[in-house]
Amino acid sequence: GAGVSQSPSNKVTEKGKDVELRCDPISGHTALYWYRQSLGQGLEFLIYFQGNSAPDKSGLPSDRFSAERTGGSVSTLTIQRTQQEDSAVYLCASSWDGKDYEQYFGPGTRLTVT
Amino acid sequence: GDSVTQMEGPVTLSEEAFLTINCTYTATGYPSLFWYVQYPGEGLQLLLKATKADDKGSNKGFEATYRKETTSFHLEKGSVQVSDSAVYFCALSDALSGAGSYQLTFGKGTKLSVIP
Repeated sequence: GAGVSQSPSNKVTEKGKDVELRCDPISGHTALYWYRQSLGQGLEFLIYFQGNSAPDKSGLPSDRFSAERTGGSVSTLTIQRTQQEDSAVYLCASSWDGKDYEQYFGPGTRLTVT
Repeated sequence: GDSVTQMEGPVTLSEEAFLTINCTYTATGYPSLFWYVQYPGEGLQLLLKATKADDKGSNKGFEATYRKETTSFHLEKGSVQVSDSAVYFCALSDALSGAGSYQLTFGKGTKLSVIP
């Protein structure tokens, strides 16, 4: 079946611009995670959605970062007023629920802020 | 907070050599432990996991045992192949560390290169 998909695969933007990154989880998965992979910081958790519960935003690095999940499926991560330190690969993962079921990762979106 | 420490690479081995990648952790509660692998040009995928002390996870010839007394989850393989060349990440999931979510806390990753 289809895995987790993310778009775009690559995004180059100028400093100060806003960007939106999209994640389509595996159908039926109620839990959705966003992570960021950068050379300096490794893999970091950003935000978690589980069903209709309030999201866990504890990993968002600043108020320039936000995310939403519409209809319990597709999620969008928005970064406002991008900075060069936002350059990274943004990974989305989904799982059947929020417990220890395997998290399936998408291919990621490589963001470059110039 | 929770953290995962794994041996830094890169690690270069000859084919059929024995592999060990060390991983230790600190956690608030009783975490589940994972090894994820990222092959060149591909996404992260789960290699194996263990959810309680003394559990052994295994897959594709790799194995790791959850050692609570030493807070470790070392990855081992008896005979590596060129196709095992990848970056390996140790990770934990601990619901008590956050707002009830099971996000993964990752180590920095260890790049393994296997030469023929």
